[in-house]
Amino acid sequence: QVQLVQSGAEVKKPGASVKVSCKASGYNFATYGINWVRQAPGQGPEWMGWISAYNDNTFYAQSLRDRITMTTDGSTSTAYMELRSLTSDDTAVYYCARGGYRPSDDAYDIWGQGTRVTVSS
Amino acid sequence: DIVVTQSPDSLAVSLGERATINCKSSQSVLYRTNNKNYLAWYQQKPGQPPKLLIYWASTRESGVPDRFSGSGSGTDFSLTISSLQAEDVAVYYCQQYYNTPHLFGQGTKLEI
Repeated sequence: QVQLVQSGAEVKKPGASVKVSCKASGYNFATYGINWVRQAPGQGPEWMGWISAYNDNTFYAQSLRDRITMTTDGSTSTAYMELRSLTSDDTAVYYCARGGYRPSDDAYDIWGQGTRVTVSS
Repeated sequence: DIVVTQSPDSLAVSLGERATINCKSSQSVLYRTNNKNYLAWYQQKPGQPPKLLIYWASTRESGVPDRFSGSGSGTDFSLTISSLQAEDVAVYYCQQYYNTPHLFGQGTKLEI
């Protein structure tokens, strides 16, 4: 079946980096994009960015542009999101979600299970 | 940025009754070339990722019960649950995907 499976929970110290993976299966990876969304405790979802699984074109949220990198590996149908210079404000559950071939082609129909990232000294 | 604002923040409805959640965007999300509204609705239960219910403002996702419906165009939208069931208790979010950033509304908590 169509699914996205994310890597496991992470605990990081302030100033560190985290890299979350999102493995797709059940569909042609290259014909969709991947969105990354995070959700801080008790808050609503926050869009982080979109990456094309076809050519790695990206759109990032302005607030994260200096600290975030999204990549894909077509050979394993896996998307990655790396966030650097972590602070306690980055403590959240991070989700990948399937999107369109172009950023605004589609709503997010398939979601990963989420990866909890905790930033604490 | 196109900001989306939901109302109310919380809603209590009796079982079997109708529930309506509203969403207003700061700019039109209607793309006139294809006459589609780039507005989606999601349901989120505790400990789960959001689940897509409605896309293009009024198209129900496969497998979503037909008691869920979406309406509206331009800047004003609604999600309606025609007859509330116990399993519908959740937080509901609207989202615009007309352009990036794909902002979400603040959420509406639906209770019995």
